[in-house]
Amino acid sequence: DSGVTQTPKHLITATGQRVTLRCSPRSGDLSVYWYQQSLDQGLQFLIQYYNGEERAKGNILERFSAQQFPDLHSELNLSSLELGDSALYFCASSRGRTGELFFGEGSRLTVL
Amino acid sequence: SQQGEEDPQALSIQEGENATMNCSYKTSINNLQWYRQNSGRGLVHLILIRSNEREKHSGRLRVTLDTSKKSSSLLITASRAADTASYFCATGPFGNEKLTFGTGTRLTIIP
Repeated sequence: DSGVTQTPKHLITATGQRVTLRCSPRSGDLSVYWYQQSLDQGLQFLIQYYNGEERAKGNILERFSAQQFPDLHSELNLSSLELGDSALYFCASSRGRTGELFFGEGSRLTVL
Repeated sequence: SQQGEEDPQALSIQEGENATMNCSYKTSINNLQWYRQNSGRGLVHLILIRSNEREKHSGRLRVTLDTSKKSSSLLITASRAADTASYFCATGPFGNEKLTFGTGTRLTIIP
């Protein structure tokens, strides 16, 4: 158990819909990262937060947004969903801005 | 785009043999990390090697880093069935900012 909690574990929805994925980092970890893993794109970095502030942005679509709240949990919002958004979405956390990442078990999104 | 690429993409060996996988990356790095992923599960950190280090050991794992060639290798000695997983290298220009993962090596240990 990494200590990172992601909900929901599985989510099935239709094209055009909006979903919110939630992540609770390990106790004391200030950095939160979001990754998307699909068969054709591999593991893609989406966005990183540190202590509530956005630190780095990767290949995150404009239809996607994220935030980190004062209690350090984070949410990833995916809107106007397309079939290609079907993937495993991972959240990870780390104590600071360097060092090992601790990954959650992921949220598997299926868009039909 | 992927920062790193692992080689080979897939590797099957007999239990007890050593497994070597390689990672090549494109830009300057602060450190390089290796992770393991069991099918459909979250990634697990294995080892971190800093840019000023050339070799690091952790249990049955040995990692080397050649910054002049922008490459790293992960050696797993005396493999076990439980080592069956995908292995990824991860690099970033500074710490974990924009930490990007390679394409992964799928390792299968045959009992």
